[in-house]
Amino acid sequence: EAGVTQFPSHSVIEKGQTVTLRCDPISGHDNLYWYRRVMGKEIKFLLHFVKESKQDESGMPNNRFLAERTGGTYSTLKVQPAELEDSGVYFCASSQENTRGGYTFGSGTRLTVV
Amino acid sequence: GDSVTQMEGPVTLSEEAFLTINCTYTATGYPSLFWYVQYPGEGLQLLLKATKADDKGSNKGFEATYRKETTSFHLEKGSVQVSDSAVYFCALSRAGNNRKLIWGLGTSLAVNP
Repeated sequence: EAGVTQFPSHSVIEKGQTVTLRCDPISGHDNLYWYRRVMGKEIKFLLHFVKESKQDESGMPNNRFLAERTGGTYSTLKVQPAELEDSGVYFCASSQENTRGGYTFGSGTRLTVV
Repeated sequence: GDSVTQMEGPVTLSEEAFLTINCTYTATGYPSLFWYVQYPGEGLQLLLKATKADDKGSNKGFEATYRKETTSFHLEKGSVQVSDSAVYFCALSRAGNNRKLIWGLGTSLAVNP
């Protein structure tokens, strides 16, 4: 089966611009998660979708971040406007039900804001 | 709140050396514990997991035992290979519907031939 696909793999944007990251989960996986790793820090949870609904968005840093999952398939994470501190690697993961922590991760999107 | 503490890297070993990467945690209840690995240029992969006390997770020659009395989940391998060079992450997930992972900082391992 195809894995979790994220794109772009790299993005370099200027401060104040908008960037949209995309994640295609494994087909049939209702759970979709976004995480972020800022350089030198631990990976942090951002949010969790169950199908198209946001189950937990407690990790979203602020209202410049908007995540969507229309139709319960792929998800997008938009950062608008981007700030320097948004730089990092954004990981997406998906799982079937009742898979506590045993996700399948994508390769990540490395975002650099200059 | 919940947290995971990992030994800091980088760790540099010679091939066939013994590996230990320490991981301790703080959590309420009975979390599940995980080791993830990120090889160069790749995404995060689940290496092994344990869901209850005294469970031993194992995969690819790596092992870790869930020790509730010491709140630890140390990763070990008896003989490392160059191909084991990667970043290793310890993580936990609490019971219940909240399945999000709490992560350690990650430990970079370099194995020299």
